[in-house]
Amino acid sequence: QKEVEQDPGPLSVPEGAIVSLNCTYSNSAFQYFMWYRQYSRKGPELLMYTYSSGNKEDGRFTAQVDKSSKYISLFIRDSQPSDSATYLCAMSKNAGNMLTFGGGTRLMVKP
Amino acid sequence: DTAVSQTPKYLVTQMGNDKSIKCEQNLGHDTMYWYKQDSKKFLKIMFSYNNKELIINETVPNRFSPKSPDKAHLNLHINSLELGDSAVYFCASSIPGPGETQYFGPGTRLLVL
Repeated sequence: QKEVEQDPGPLSVPEGAIVSLNCTYSNSAFQYFMWYRQYSRKGPELLMYTYSSGNKEDGRFTAQVDKSSKYISLFIRDSQPSDSATYLCAMSKNAGNMLTFGGGTRLMVKP
Repeated sequence: DTAVSQTPKYLVTQMGNDKSIKCEQNLGHDTMYWYKQDSKKFLKIMFSYNNKELIINETVPNRFSPKSPDKAHLNLHINSLELGDSAVYFCASSIPGPGETQYFGPGTRLLVL
């Protein structure tokens, strides 16, 4: 069993829908949680970062961390075709420690 | 103005060959990484260098040897290539700290025939 699990999808939604992407993890030592977006044939780019439990909002994106359930989520409001990409969750135990990635969820937003 | 660049973008080669992938970052970061992404998009760290010194070396065959000539460069040399080495290899760099943001290069698509 991998340390970080993510449904690979694909997840197909109509434009304007609210999207929910999730990851579960097994190691309670993880404290820093990130979401990366990866377009086809490109490198991943950081979308959101949160420390410990709680919510963080940035425009149409909201990241949630529930450490008690070892569960993190990324919500995308008013999804756009340009949001179509693979979304990777990542986490680390300490600042400056190596990242452990989930396998990514492929999202397709249809016009 | 590319922050993290890799060459080549594509690499097709025969089993048993030796090849190198180069990475350069112009962000002034201290730490650089090599990741391997398999066909299922699973991204796994291979090596991490901080100021030209190796700090992370995950379970990677010793056919893979990273070399950091200076802080801005981290190259990956692969000896005796095998079919299973086919993947996308990403270089990344970062400044350590809370929420350490890693900046990724565009990737090198390696296909071993």
